[in-house]
Amino acid sequence: QIQLVQSGPDVKKPWGSVKVSCKASGYTFTNYGITWVRQAPGQGLEWMGWISPDNGNTFYAQQIQDRVAMTTDTSTNTAYMELWRLTPNDTAVYYCAREPYIGCSGGSCPYYYYYGMGVWGQGTTVTVSS
Amino acid sequence: EIVLTQSPGTLSLFPGERVTLSCRASQTVRSNYVAWYQHKPGQAPRLLIFGASNRASGIPDKFSGGGSGTDFTLTISRLEPEDFAVYYCQQYGSSSGTFGQGTKVEIK
Repeated sequence: QIQLVQSGPDVKKPWGSVKVSCKASGYTFTNYGITWVRQAPGQGLEWMGWISPDNGNTFYAQQIQDRVAMTTDTSTNTAYMELWRLTPNDTAVYYCAREPYIGCSGGSCPYYYYYGMGVWGQGTTVTVSS
Repeated sequence: EIVLTQSPGTLSLFPGERVTLSCRASQTVRSNYVAWYQHKPGQAPRLLIFGASNRASGIPDKFSGGGSGTDFTLTISRLEPEDFAVYYCQQYGSSSGTFGQGTKVEIK
């Protein structure tokens, strides 16, 4: 079955960095982007960005673009999200999700189709504390 | 960046009631790339609606989405106990995506 399995919980100190993994199975990894979303305690969902596994293109949210890197390893169908210069405000549950679909349109490739994030990882709790 | 504003923040309702949630965008959302998610504590969000009005796979028809441009809605025709949760709208456009702040639907 189609699933995304994330790495386990992590505790980091302020100014440190964290790298969360998301292993995909049950579908062709390069046919879909991997989007990252987080939720801080008591807060709403925050879109962080996404990566296209077929060519490595990334699209980051403005507020974190200078301290985040999303990568993929197509040999293991795994996506990674690394965040550095951590502060307690980065304490959150981090989710990966499958979106968008990567296809072609009118001979133009890639073309991204947004059908919503229908497949999610189980979430990874990252705690930043001194 | 497109800002999504959901209203109201919290709704207290009885099972069996009908509810419509609102999501307003600060500018036109291209191609009506709006999705709605249901989120319960300790679980990953669940996709309900994509493309403003298309139900995701396996979503019952008591959930319906509508709207276009800058104003979007999610309607739950008859609330059941499992529908009490937080609902988020989300847009994707211009290489960035944003969520609304969420509407909590709680049991009265």
